[in-house]
Amino acid sequence: DGGITQSPKYLFRKEGQNVTLSCEQNLNHDAMYWYRQDPGQGLRLIYYSQIVNDFQKGDIAEGYSVSREKKESFPLTVTSAQKNPTAFYLCASSTIASGNTIYFGEGSWLTVV
Amino acid sequence: RKEVEQDPGPFNVPEGATVAFNCTYSNSASQSFFWYRQDCRKEPKLLMSVYSSGNEDGRFTAQLNRASQYISLLIRDSKLSDSATYLCVVNSVRRALTFGSGTRLQVQP
Repeated sequence: DGGITQSPKYLFRKEGQNVTLSCEQNLNHDAMYWYRQDPGQGLRLIYYSQIVNDFQKGDIAEGYSVSREKKESFPLTVTSAQKNPTAFYLCASSTIASGNTIYFGEGSWLTVV
Repeated sequence: RKEVEQDPGPFNVPEGATVAFNCTYSNSASQSFFWYRQDCRKEPKLLMSVYSSGNEDGRFTAQLNRASQYISLLIRDSKLSDSATYLCVVNSVRRALTFGSGTRLQVQP
């Protein structure tokens, strides 16, 4: 089945640790995105990538890093510099052919313990 | 001013009621508009795109008012299963989509 796969679904991190959230899509979409959602809040853009080997900061990039070495993969690293990382992280992808409609993975819940 | 603003609600309506949400956006150059639905602790899912001429999908009608820079979503004959948060989405100057904070709808029996 075509779609976007995020892993892990649930992750616990100790303070001071870096963690990497995986995002893989087999939709052949050009663009990929990472959003963060806090309880009762909207989605905020962390990073996005329009093509391989290129990405741009979103509104809240500090404390996060990404890479886009392959079209289908866009992993997000939450570094120790991110002071309040507990949140719901959503990966998404889109393509011009779909009218830039964004499709989401099921999300990853990150909790700092 | 936020790029995309929505009334957070909640909107509590009885089954069968008609309910409407508005969403305002600040970037007059925005070209793409969408409504997404998000259930509790789940990912957002596309409900419908919003076209300049307005569009309808079953009980749902979306409209765009470029002059006043808002989009609307009308839900007729509300069902219990319509209870969710509805997110207004607009493309931004970055060509990435910007999401509103969402309007929560609770349909009651």
